[in-house]
Amino acid sequence: GAGVSQSPSNKVTEKGKDVELRCDPISGHTALYWYRQSLGQGLEFLIYFQGNSAPDKSGLPSDRFSAERTGGSVSTLTIQRTQQEDSAVYLCASSLGGLAGVETQYFGPGTRLLVL
Amino acid sequence: AQTVTQSQPEMSVQEAETVTLSCTYDTSENNYYLFWYKQPPSRQMILVIRQEAYKQQNATENRFSVNFQKAAKSFSLKISDSQLGDTAMYFCARSDGNKLVFGAGTILRVKS
Repeated sequence: GAGVSQSPSNKVTEKGKDVELRCDPISGHTALYWYRQSLGQGLEFLIYFQGNSAPDKSGLPSDRFSAERTGGSVSTLTIQRTQQEDSAVYLCASSLGGLAGVETQYFGPGTRLLVL
Repeated sequence: AQTVTQSQPEMSVQEAETVTLSCTYDTSENNYYLFWYKQPPSRQMILVIRQEAYKQQNATENRFSVNFQKAAKSFSLKISDSQLGDTAMYFCARSDGNKLVFGAGTILRVKS
């Protein structure tokens, strides 16, 4: 079966513009996660979805960041008024039921965002 | 903040040799899970191995094994018979509720 897919693979935008990043999880996975990987650093948790709800959005760095998930499947991460410090690789992952410790998270290839 | 520390930013190993990547972590929980993920240049994160903290036996997956020392909060990854395809960034991670907390990563280069 297909893995986690993300689009676009790369995105270049100008400071101040809004961007949308898309994630298609593995079919049947109810849990979906967004992480951010800045240059030379590990992954930083952003938000977790269980179904269409986001019980943990503690990692979103500012109110310019938002995410939604519809139909228990596709998720969109939106960054408004982008800043240069938003430049990073944004990774999406999904897992079967949402118990981060018990289950394996399967990652997509990420979207590399560059804000000029 | 509860952290995961990988003290080796970069490592090199000759093909067919063994290399160990170190990881220490901080947690106040008694039961949790630990992971090693591999990220090749393609950016696709791949699970290498996982360990449940309440299991004393070290996890093993083919050429990959861990040395889990719960009291010391240490979780090192040993790669035996290193192959060129093992060249990647390796991340150690710990479960924290519904998310994973990652270390900064170790770049491993396997030389022929």
